[in-house]
Amino acid sequence: EAGVTQSPTHLIKTRGQHATLRCSPISGHTSVYWYQQALGLGLQFLLWYDEGEERNRGNFPPRFSGRQFPNYSSELNVNALELEDSALYLCASSLRPGDRNNEQFFGPGTRLTVL
Amino acid sequence: AQSVTQPDIHITVSEGASLELRCNYSYGATPYLFWYVQSPGQGLQLLLKYFSGDTLVQGIKGFEAEFKRSQSSFNLRKPSVHWSDAAEYFCAVVGGSYIPTFGRGTSLIVHP
Repeated sequence: EAGVTQSPTHLIKTRGQHATLRCSPISGHTSVYWYQQALGLGLQFLLWYDEGEERNRGNFPPRFSGRQFPNYSSELNVNALELEDSALYLCASSLRPGDRNNEQFFGPGTRLTVL
Repeated sequence: AQSVTQPDIHITVSEGASLELRCNYSYGATPYLFWYVQSPGQGLQLLLKYFSGDTLVQGIKGFEAEFKRSQSSFNLRKPSVHWSDAAEYFCAVVGGSYIPTFGRGTSLIVHP
């Protein structure tokens, strides 16, 4: 069974540009989560989508947005890129949203570099 | 609000030695606790989790963790470390929002 996949693996942009990151969850998983992993800061929660709806949002500005498609894949959009947006962006999927015992399965991430 | 502290940024051990990675959490009710491992260039993989019952939890790859409510801790242990265990380790707590809060991670370095 395929795991969570993310594309692209690496993305290089310049300040002010727009970035789109994509994620395909494990088959059967309806929830998708996005995290930012900046150097030395651990994982910071960005967004949670389930059944096409945004369920929760972390403490990030509105230029971070996303959506979930009918096939449960998701994309993360970052507008007006800033240097501090450079980070590894991780996507995770899960089977049982709303359950604290819910295991999240992570993809390998997209490394975004803003120059 | 919940929070997690991993006090050690780096830990260096010799291959074959025992390992303990520290995790302290803050949450008002019974926490759901997780340990993940991240190898270079990879996503996170779940090692083990605790949500109720026996406070000593066994995980994959020979890891175990003990939940101590009185100390608000969930330390990860392994009796004998292998070189392949070198990675970044993250502790996480899940509260009422169903979204895990992660610690900043501990980087494990294994010397031959």
